[in-house]
Order: sequence, then structure tokens, then C-alpha cells
Amino acid sequence: KAGVTQTPRYLIKTRGQQVTLSCSPISGHRSVSWYQQTPGQGLQFLFEYFSETQRNKGNFPGRFSGRQFSNSRSEMNVSTLELGDSALYLCASSRGLENTEAFFGQGTRLTVV
Amino acid sequence: GQQVMQIPQYQHVQEGEDFTTYCNSSTTLSNIQWYKQRPGGHPVFLIQLVKSGEVKKQKRLTFQFGEAKKNSSLHITATQTTDVGTYFCAGKWDDKIIFGKGTRLHILP
Repeated sequence: KAGVTQTPRYLIKTRGQQVTLSCSPISGHRSVSWYQQTPGQGLQFLFEYFSETQRNKGNFPGRFSGRQFSNSRSEMNVSTLELGDSALYLCASSRGLENTEAFFGQGTRLTVV
Repeated sequence: GQQVMQIPQYQHVQEGEDFTTYCNSSTTLSNIQWYKQRPGGHPVFLIQLVKSGEVKKQKRLTFQFGEAKKNSSLHITATQTTDVGTYFCAGKWDDKIIFGKGTRLHILP
């Protein structure tokens, strides 16, 4: 079956712009989590959605938001982009919330100039 | 705030030598997961540990979860070039997930 699909794979934006990233989970998976990965900070948890509801949230400013649709696809949005938002954004899907294996997508590499 | 510390940050080993990475949490965890990320790739799930003192093996990989559920380790016996990559632990408690910064493993031929 198809894996986790993230689009776009690469993106270049300028400071102040906003961006929307998309994640299509594995069929049958209802939980989608988002992570930011940078060389300095490593993998940082952004938020998790399950059945269209945000279940958990990491320590990121309100400029970072997300949502999940009824088909479990998820989007994350970053408004008023800053240079420090340049990172690899990874999405992971799993069947449920508790104690389940997470499958990561290839990520979207965002560069803010 | 809660932290998951992972050491070492980097490790160079000769092919055939053993390798161990350690994770320590400031909080008792409900579970801990381990992932491997190859250069240029995305994290791939390796295993999840839930029970206090749990030990799991996958071929040359041995995973341990401490009795207090605050620390964990991944040990690779007789490393091979295919083991190259960054190994992350991810601790979960109160529905929060925090990843360690990872240990980057280099294999010297």
C-alpha cells in the first residue's frame, strides 16, 4: 500500500509570506503528527491530529497551525514566515493514538529567504 | 521543561565493532520508541518499548527500557556499513512526544 505522501517536496518562500504543507496518511491511519527537523534543534513535535481534532501540541508559536480533514489528510500552515522557519517538515501517520508505530513521509524542505 | 537527552551526539566505530546510544528522560515515560534515519532520508520506526525493564531484540539490535522507565538504550552488535545513520529515541508521556537529538553513527571500513 502507498506510504505517507507529503507535498510539495521542496519550497522556497520569502520572509513574511505564509505557506501550507500537505500530508496524506497511509490508508486506514487516523492519526497524523507533524514535526520540524533542523540541524540545530533536531526533531521537534509540532502537533498531532486524530479524527479531525488536534490532540496534542508542541511548543511552537501560534503562527504554526494545522488541521485534519474527514479523509484523515492533514495540512499545516505557517504564517508570517521567518528565516528560522527554514527546516524539513515531516509528517507521520499511525493507526491510532496510543502505542502505535508511526510511519514518516519524505518531508517538505522549506527554505525561507 | 521535560527533556529527553540522548548521548553520544556522534559515534565513529570500525566496522564490526559494537555501538550503543543512550536516552535519558527527566520524566517517567509511558513508552519510548526508536527510529533510524539514513542520510537524506526520513525516520523509520524500529521498535517501541512499554514495560519497565523491557528488553527487545531485532537481529543485531538490542533495545532496553529502564526499570524506572526514564532511560533506554539501543545496542548494535558487530556493526555493518548498512547501520550508518542517525538513531533517535522518542519518549512519550501525558500524550506529549519528545525526540532526543539523535546519535549519528559513522562506520569506518
